[in-house]
Amino acid sequence: DTEVTQTPKHLVMGMTNKKSLKCEQHMGHRAMYWYKQKAKKPPELMFVYSYEKLSINESVPSRFSPECPNSSLLNLHLHALQPEDSALYLCASSPAALFAQPQHFGDGTRLSIL
Amino acid sequence: AQKITQTQPGMFVQEKEAVTLDCTYDTSDQSYGLFWYKQPSSGEMIFLIYQGSYDEQNATEGRYSLNFQKARKSANLVISASQLGDSAMYFCAMRDLLGGNQFYFGTGTSLTVIP
Repeated sequence: DTEVTQTPKHLVMGMTNKKSLKCEQHMGHRAMYWYKQKAKKPPELMFVYSYEKLSINESVPSRFSPECPNSSLLNLHLHALQPEDSALYLCASSPAALFAQPQHFGDGTRLSIL
Repeated sequence: AQKITQTQPGMFVQEKEAVTLDCTYDTSDQSYGLFWYKQPSSGEMIFLIYQGSYDEQNATEGRYSLNFQKARKSANLVISASQLGDSAMYFCAMRDLLGGNQFYFGTGTSLTVIP
């Protein structure tokens, strides 16, 4: 059982749809992350929130919009996605600014864009 | 410059044998942490083992051990007594003081355990 919960596990959407990915953790971690991952490739960092503030945005297109409503929740709002956005989206959390601590990942959302 | 380098895209190992997955890293910080993750085909990213830059002993967790050679900046993962369930992608990652909350991942090694 993972301590980071992501919903939904699978999502199929059209290019004109709006949907959201959700992530929740109750480990008291104050850093939360969104990654995009293609098959057999490493996760690509998209966003980092530290103490509910956006601290890193890796030049992600505006059709991806992150939100951190509180210290336990992280959302990723999706709008007008492209077929190349089909991927596994991973959420992770870690204690903030403690380099000795690992990230803990959710099981991911497999996103398919039609 | 690549912070983490994994030079083995794919590896094969016979069941019950040991295997070493290579990882080298690049940082100018004195304080950093090195991590290994396993990702089966189902997609979840599983944390395996951690080594701190100040740790004098190599980290071990069950069948996993980390061969840490600080002067060579290498942190190789050793899996002993391989099992079929060890077949997966393995990623080496680093977090350093300069990077703050950012984790740097290598390109991964795909391990296949042969019965």
